[in-house]
Amino acid sequence: AQSVSQHNHHVILSEAASLELGCNYSYGGTVNLFWYVQYPGQHLQLLLKYFSGDPLVKGIKGFEAEFIKSKFSFNLRKPSVQWSDTAEYFCAVNRDKLSFGAGTTVTVRA
Amino acid sequence: KAGVTQTPRYLIKTRGQQVTLSCSPISGHRSVSWYQQTPGQGLQFLFEYFSETQRNKGNFPGRFSGRQFSNSRSEMNVSTLELGDSALYLCASSLAVAGAGDTQYFGPGTRLTVL
Repeated sequence: AQSVSQHNHHVILSEAASLELGCNYSYGGTVNLFWYVQYPGQHLQLLLKYFSGDPLVKGIKGFEAEFIKSKFSFNLRKPSVQWSDTAEYFCAVNRDKLSFGAGTTVTVRA
Repeated sequence: KAGVTQTPRYLIKTRGQQVTLSCSPISGHRSVSWYQQTPGQGLQFLFEYFSETQRNKGNFPGRFSGRQFSNSRSEMNVSTLELGDSALYLCASSLAVAGAGDTQYFGPGTRLTVL
């Protein structure tokens, strides 16, 4: 079965720490990859996406993600988090439909 | 450009009732997808409509149905509500069908509580 796995359920870090969230998928062939974020009380927003080309993609708010085809991975990174990055982060893979990982709750302590 | 809008934002129903949720996509978007979000199951795909035709369907019982109108607005219906249907129902729109890989933009959701 097709699936998307996010490695961490809950991550707690302090401001200025670096963040890396893992995402692996099990689909073969061409896929489109996304990271969405859901801030408390807000709706899902697109952070970044990968369709083709440079496997290192940059998104909003200083986030970036690297697509490693051989590892079926699309990990999200941010060098220095802020308190306002507290949110739930979802990795998603699009083939004929958008399939989401379980999400990772990130709590940034001031 | 206005975003995806969903109405109502909150609903409380009792078991056995039915409910209809509405979604208005971003202007010009022709694809509407619906998702159910729960703490236990996460985000699960319900179905996708494009040009008034259902293009794809997730693994949900037949009590869950939907439709799309000529102006791309979409409705989903849940009949014979069960307690387990309590969830946040999200609608997302995109220019093209999901299979084309187009970015989906999400609405704020409708919070359904079944008592």
